[in-house]
Amino acid sequence: GENVEQHPSTLSVQEGDSAVIKCTYSDSASNYFPWYKQELGKRPQLIIDIRSNVGEKKDQRIAVTLNKTAKHFSLHITETQPEDSAVYFCAATTPLNYNQGGKLIFGQGTELSVKP
Amino acid sequence: NAGVTQTPKFQVLKTGQSMTLQCAQDMNHNSMYWYRQDPGMGLRLIYYSASEGTTDKGEVPNGYNVSRLNKREFSLRLESAAPSQTSVYFCASSGTSGKGLLYNEQFFGPGTRLTVL
Repeated sequence: GENVEQHPSTLSVQEGDSAVIKCTYSDSASNYFPWYKQELGKRPQLIIDIRSNVGEKKDQRIAVTLNKTAKHFSLHITETQPEDSAVYFCAATTPLNYNQGGKLIFGQGTELSVKP
Repeated sequence: NAGVTQTPKFQVLKTGQSMTLQCAQDMNHNSMYWYRQDPGMGLRLIYYSASEGTTDKGEVPNGYNVSRLNKREFSLRLESAAPSQTSVYFCASSGTSGKGLLYNEQFFGPGTRLTVL
């Protein structure tokens, strides 16, 4: 089955710096890679995702890159702000059927701390 | 729309007691999931239901059972709770947007914090 490894487990940056979180996956059939942000005591929420037919996707200060050959994908946050402090999870999945969601396998999480 | 709802929010059990965690979604999603979240271990899939009438094991199914009651509701049962099942439990759902487009995003409920003494 799929296995997702995420690094680093903790990351501390100064406000305004960039942050990069990396994930590797094992199943070459995986074709959807979301990133979730979880603030303390809250539920995980999707912040960006990428499908295997593209190599990069950007949404304002966050971007995700995907290298299918190497089976790794990364989250990039630029101009970090204190409100970016949270735990970030990557995940990988293969959709089940046309009208069914996929079975997500999550990485272990990265606790990002942005110091003012 | 309420999205994904879970009850209860908090629960304390004694070892050996049983309980059912309830989950419901109002987004007409086909697929529903149960995860547990433990410190340093991320979210681990317990069971999922790809569509109404089907359920399958995830990464950590031992000690749990599930029921997909209808399209909206997916419950998780602990028959004989153990301290190792102390965790935060999240339910999630995903499926098409209703316009025939595959839509993988999973929407999570607020979670249930379970302590087993």
